[in-house]
Parts: sequence; structure tokens; C-alpha cells
Amino acid sequence: AQSVAQPEDQVNVAEGNPLTVKCTYSVSGNPYLFWYVQYPNRGLQFLLKYITGDNLVKGSYGFEAEFNKSQTSFHLKKPSALVSDSALYFCAVNHAGKSTFGDGTTLTVKP
Amino acid sequence: EPEVTQTPSHQVTQMGQEVILRCVPISNHLYFYWYRQILGQKVEFLVSFYNNEISEKSEIFDDQFSVERPDGSNFTLKIRSTKLEDSAMYFCASLSGTLLSTDTQYFGPGTRLTVL
Repeated sequence: AQSVAQPEDQVNVAEGNPLTVKCTYSVSGNPYLFWYVQYPNRGLQFLLKYITGDNLVKGSYGFEAEFNKSQTSFHLKKPSALVSDSALYFCAVNHAGKSTFGDGTTLTVKP
Repeated sequence: EPEVTQTPSHQVTQMGQEVILRCVPISNHLYFYWYRQILGQKVEFLVSFYNNEISEKSEIFDDQFSVERPDGSNFTLKIRSTKLEDSAMYFCASLSGTLLSTDTQYFGPGTRLTVL
């Protein structure tokens, strides 16, 4: 069985500061990891994914994520946060087309 | 850019009534999904659909639920007799199917179902 954990319900950062949203995973076999963002009353928007290759994956809106196999982590990062990044972020692991999501982390970026 | 669409955006129904949630997946995609998100909770897998049949379903997807692809474009989720606990946001997703695990699932904007 596959699972994803997002240990922080809430992350608060000041605009302009770097942000990290944490995700750890548990899978049997190769991990295929995704990050999605959900703005209020909106659907899930794909940000980035790790399939293979470079451990640092770059995605939409300046976000990137670092895959760490030894720590089974896939943390989402951005060097300089914007107020407009405030949203709910979900990490997910994909197996045979089915996604298993973490509980989500609410990111609040304050001016 | 192609996108998944869902209608209606919000559905209000009385307990015990049937509802049909509609989705139009991306046109060349082969795999279709329904997920739900109860307010404030995580997104949960309900069912996957391929080649006109269910390929996998979760324990949430009981006999009250059914899915159908009635034509070449629509993908529907029917709840036969709604319960209060069915109130949630329902997301449709589609995937091209070239490589199941590595393909990106594209999600629709969701239908908020409120059961009174």
C-alpha cells in the first residue's frame, strides 16, 4: 500500500522569504510523486512531479521540489514566497494511475 | 490548453434523492477518475474507469454509486440515494494512459454537492 504524510497542517511565511512544505511517502516500488495546489473553491492544479532523474524538480509558478530517497521525502520549495501563493497544497503518490493524497498543508504568506 | 470540465459547479439536493454529476474529460485521455473531498479533509479516491468499465474502486464506492460513460465525451457519477455524509466536493480527473503511474492526472474544478 502507498501513503503520503504531510506533517504540517499549516505553514506561515512572510512574503519574500523562502518556503518549504513537507511531504514524506511510503511506497513499494518506484515512487511517482506529485504536488497539487488548491485555491479556495477551485479544483486541484498540477504543480510538478517526480518520475526519475534529477532529484530537484522544477514546476509551475516558481515552485520546485526535492526528492530524497534516503529520507523518503519530497518537500515543496520556493525561494521567495508571494502572497498569491497562499493556498492548500497536496502531495500525492501515484500508483497505476490512482493517486493517494496527503492531508494537505495550508500555506499562508503574509505581506 | 485542454481541461477537464464539470457540471454543475454546485448541486443542492434532499436526502434520498438521486444526483448525477457530470464531467467532460480531456478528449484523448483514456482513464477517468472520481475523487471526493469532504470539507476540510483530504482528497479521497472513489473509482477509476477504463475501456468502459470500472478498473478499481475504493470502499467508499458502495452500491449507491455508479459511473458511466454514456457517449464519447461525458463521464458521470450517479449517487442513487444521497445521504447527508455524501456532502462533499467531487472531482473528476482524466489521464492520457500512456504510462499510468507517471502520467499527470488532470483534475476538473469540482462539483460541490450539498445534501440537506
